[in-house]
Amino acid sequence: AQSVTQLGSHVSVSEGALVLLRCNYSSSVPPYLFWYVQYPNQGLQLLLKYTTGATLVKGINGFEAEFKKSETSFHLTKPSAHMSDAAEYFCAVSETYQGGSEKLVFGKGTKLTVNP
Amino acid sequence: DARVTQTPRHKVTEMGQEVTMRCQPILGHNTVFWYRQTMMQGLELLAYFRNRAPLDDSGMPKDRFSAEMPDATLATLKIQPSEPRDSAVYFCASGFRQNNQPQHFGDGTRLSIL
Repeated sequence: AQSVTQLGSHVSVSEGALVLLRCNYSSSVPPYLFWYVQYPNQGLQLLLKYTTGATLVKGINGFEAEFKKSETSFHLTKPSAHMSDAAEYFCAVSETYQGGSEKLVFGKGTKLTVNP
Repeated sequence: DARVTQTPRHKVTEMGQEVTMRCQPILGHNTVFWYRQTMMQGLELLAYFRNRAPLDDSGMPKDRFSAEMPDATLATLKIQPSEPRDSAVYFCASGFRQNNQPQHFGDGTRLSIL
């Protein structure tokens, strides 16, 4: 079964600094990978996804992630943090089971704090 | 933008009461998921429907939880009887049955069992 590990349950950066949120996955087949963001009292919103093709994926709000098969990683980055980026971020891998049905396996989440 | 709609947004009730949470998936989506989010356990998948048929409810406590899709526009999650340990935020998500398609989440029902 697939699994996702997010290193660091809390990350704190200064406004304008680089954001780096780490995600490693385990999968026996080529994975589909996702990053979601959750703002307080809201559901999860898709930031970006990797399916096939280009390994550097660009998402909304200036975020991007790079799929590195050799490292089984899918780290999320943003060159310059903004106060509005403060939220919880979830990495997920799509798992196929039960005759082709799919579900998402989520990491535990990383809470990003942006300091002024 | 099309959205997944969940009602109620907040629910406070006493232990032993029945709780019903509702979800309206995005029109045209053929998969529906119920998740529970707590500080301790994070996001847990409770149930999964495809074309209104339940495919996986292994994450649900069977003795008190039940999930149904009476029609394509409504999914329900019921707890009877409710217990304090059921306090959590419950999310519904919908999507298409393809691994590369994202799930779209509602804003959740925040449930408190006293």
